[in-house]
Amino acid sequence: DAGVTQSPTHLIKTRGQQVTLRCSPKSGHDTVSWYQQALGQGPQFIFQYYEEEERQRGNFPDRFSGHQFPNYSSELNVNALLLGDSALYLCASRPFGDSSYEQYFGPGTRLTVT
Amino acid sequence: AQSVTQPDIHITVSEGASLELRCNYSYGATPYLFWYVQSPGQGLQLLLKYFSGDTLVQGIKGFEAEFKRSQSSFNLRKPSVHWSDAAEYFCAVGRMEYGNKLVFGAGTILRVKS
Repeated sequence: DAGVTQSPTHLIKTRGQQVTLRCSPKSGHDTVSWYQQALGQGPQFIFQYYEEEERQRGNFPDRFSGHQFPNYSSELNVNALLLGDSALYLCASRPFGDSSYEQYFGPGTRLTVT
Repeated sequence: AQSVTQPDIHITVSEGASLELRCNYSYGATPYLFWYVQSPGQGLQLLLKYFSGDTLVQGIKGFEAEFKRSQSSFNLRKPSVHWSDAAEYFCAVGRMEYGNKLVFGAGTILRVKS
């Protein structure tokens, strides 16, 4: 049973560019959340997708957007990249309505903005 | 606003010694509590979780944690540390009304000396 997978593993972009990160949830999971983990910090919640809609959003600007596909996979898009967007981006999945509130995390995508 | 504090940025223990990592949270009510571990270049792995009931919870890899409502704490312990436990540890909290969102502490880096 494959866990949460993310691609690419690493990415280098230039300021002002746009980037798309991808996530496939664990089998049987239909809810996907994205987190940003800057160096030396804990992960910060960006947003959550369920039924192809954004259901909850953290304190991130509109430059951060996402999408969820019918197969439950998800994309995170970041426009007009800033140096401060350099971070590890983590995807997490869980079954919607699961009372355990446990989330399963992927290995992350390391984004470097130069 | 909800917050999670991990007061120790780094902790160094000798192999075979006991370990306690501290976590304090600030919430209006008892939240759901989690401890995750992150090895270098890896995603987050759930060690244990607390929702209700027995305040001493057992997790994987020989870890346990104790919820103390009066102190708003959820400290992680292990009686005998192994070199493979060297990693970064994150405490996280969630609440049902916040949906999937987890709020993480800044993490504690554990170093194990032989």
